[in-house]
This record gives sequence, structure tokens and C-alpha cells, in this order.
Amino acid sequence: DAMVIQNPRYQVTQFGKPVTLSCSQTLNHNVMYWYQQKSSQAPKLLFHYYDKDFNNEADTPDNFQSRRPNTSFCFLDIRSPGLGDAAMYLCATSRVDQVNEQFFGPGTRLTVL
Amino acid sequence: KQEVTQIPAALSVPEGENLVLNCSFTDSAIYNLQWFRQDPGKGLTSLLLIQSSQREQTSGRLNASLDKSSGRSTLYIAASQPGDSATYLCAVRPRNTGKLIFGQGTTLQVKP
Repeated sequence: DAMVIQNPRYQVTQFGKPVTLSCSQTLNHNVMYWYQQKSSQAPKLLFHYYDKDFNNEADTPDNFQSRRPNTSFCFLDIRSPGLGDAAMYLCATSRVDQVNEQFFGPGTRLTVL
Repeated sequence: KQEVTQIPAALSVPEGENLVLNCSFTDSAIYNLQWFRQDPGKGLTSLLLIQSSQREQTSGRLNASLDKSSGRSTLYIAASQPGDSATYLCAVRPRNTGKLIFGQGTTLQVKP
């Protein structure tokens, strides 16, 4: 089945230790998104890629970076995680067409010790 | 600035009841609206998507409506079941942007 896959599902890191979260998709969608969702809050868009074009949200901290080496993969790098970065990180994809529906992965739960 | 609100924040109903979840948004210039389901600790599952030109969409026991002029959408769940227990999120896609703006969700509990 075509899908959005996130690895790992659970990630524990130490304060200040860089961490990378992975997202892959078999849908061949040209847009990939990273959302941050803190406990009991709405998902918040961090940035997205339209093909190779990177689009950062204005209020996304510099601590968060992203890479998209090819259509299928997208990575979220947190350079120096703080306690406030503990959250669920959701990857989503969409195809630019008349519908433009977003499909989400299962998420990665990040814990910062 | 687009804002999305969902009321109530939590809802508990007995099994078998029909129920309505509400979503309101402040700017009617939207491209589409999506309803999602989120189980605890899990990702988002897309339930229904309504284009701005549409009034409603149906999938099984779910029916979503959209009134763009009043900035409202509802998700109707017929004959609720304990397996429907989850958080339901609505999200709008403003025009000229690919991003989704989410409400904070309604957490539904269906009691056997």
C-alpha cells in the first residue's frame, strides 16, 4: 500500500544532542511537510518542500532544519534539542492537483531528557 | 490571520447516539477543509476532504458539511460506536498556500 512512513516511532535524546527524524513516502507526492504537535495542541507547520524548493515558516526556530535528498525522503534535523522541543513530529505529503489532500505518517514521539 | 476553532473540546456520548462536531474558521477564503482522526499517541488519519466549491462529503457513517460564507463546518457521526473514540481535528487550507491550519480538536469518548 502506498503510504507515509516515519522512523523511528519513538526517539529519546539528551538536551543539546542533535537528532534526526526520518520520513519516507511511496505516494510519489511532490510536496512534503513537517508539523510539530505538542501535547493537547493543534499540529503546527514547521516547513515544507515543494519538490526541491524549501519553504520555512516565519516562526520556525533556527534550531530546526530539513533536508530532502530525493522525492521519497525528507529529514528533520534538530541541532540542539531543548526540553521545549519534546513533541510529536508529523510528516505529511500531498500532490499538487485540484484536490491537494494531505496524507500523514504515524508520527515520531520525541522525548528530550 | 486564519484561526480555526473547535467546540466542544471534549464530548462523551453513549453508544448508538448520532452526534455533531463543530469547526469554525475566521477567513472564508479557503481552498479546502479536511477532517482528521487522531488516536492517542498516533498520527492523523484523513476522514473527509471538502473542496471550497462543495457543500458536503460522505463516507460511511460520516458526513461533513461546509458553509464557507458563515465559516463553519460540521462532522456528523451516525450511530456512534466505542471504536469512534478519538480526537477529531479539522483543518483548513487557505487560498494560495499549501499549509493546513488546524483546530485544537474535539476529543470524543463513546461509552459502551
